[in-house]
Amino acid sequence: QSALTQPASVSGSPGQSITISCTGTSSDVGSYSLVSWYQHHPGKAPKLIIYEVTKRPSGVSDRFSGSKSGNTASLTISGLQADDESAYYCSSYANAGDNILVFGGGTKLTVL
Amino acid sequence: EVQLLESGGDLVQPGGSLRLSCAASGFSFSTYAMSWVRQAPGKGLEWVSAISASAHRTDYADSVKGRFTTSRDNSKNTLYLQMNSLRVEDTAVYYCAKDSYYDFWSGSYYFDSWGQGALVTVSS
Repeated sequence: QSALTQPASVSGSPGQSITISCTGTSSDVGSYSLVSWYQHHPGKAPKLIIYEVTKRPSGVSDRFSGSKSGNTASLTISGLQADDESAYYCSSYANAGDNILVFGGGTKLTVL
Repeated sequence: EVQLLESGGDLVQPGGSLRLSCAASGFSFSTYAMSWVRQAPGKGLEWVSAISASAHRTDYADSVKGRFTTSRDNSKNTLYLQMNSLRVEDTAVYYCAKDSYYDFWSGSYYFDSWGQGALVTVSS
């Protein structure tokens, strides 16, 4: 069982917006602005799309945005495109338990 | 362009050993911390280990502590993961990942580049 909780799947139609949640605890997401999001197409290298909760790396579309409220971080993808269909993972620094970096179980985004 | 190329993945029996390598190019390898992250079949990502840019400090997930050793050769731009006493539950695709900072523990805990992974299968 992953340390951070994500929905197993979400879906949306082209042009719509979707939001993926990532729920942790006060020992990780809730206490630190160190949440990252990765896009992972099967068989390819994961790609960083959001870091430090809201920041986008150079070259990442501004259709991707991140936020956080309490123990839950969120990734919003606006103007859905077919190429957005992928798995998305959140991660966070953690100051308790076994590991200092924890991931979510991943969310499969389907573009209808 | 940053490139990370893992190699060494194989089928190994429980209790066996294996060493993964990650060849890096396109950036100043010796100035960035590196990590290994794995993904078991049908599961999410799991951070495995980290090593500082100078190799002076390492850290491991509890699930592999005492069995896995991460090292690097900055003269060869290569990261290694020595895996001993392998278990069935170590079966996964192993990714090497580049940190954004020289020191994993002082940075922002994210990886700005990843390799495509190496498959390790532990089975009798």
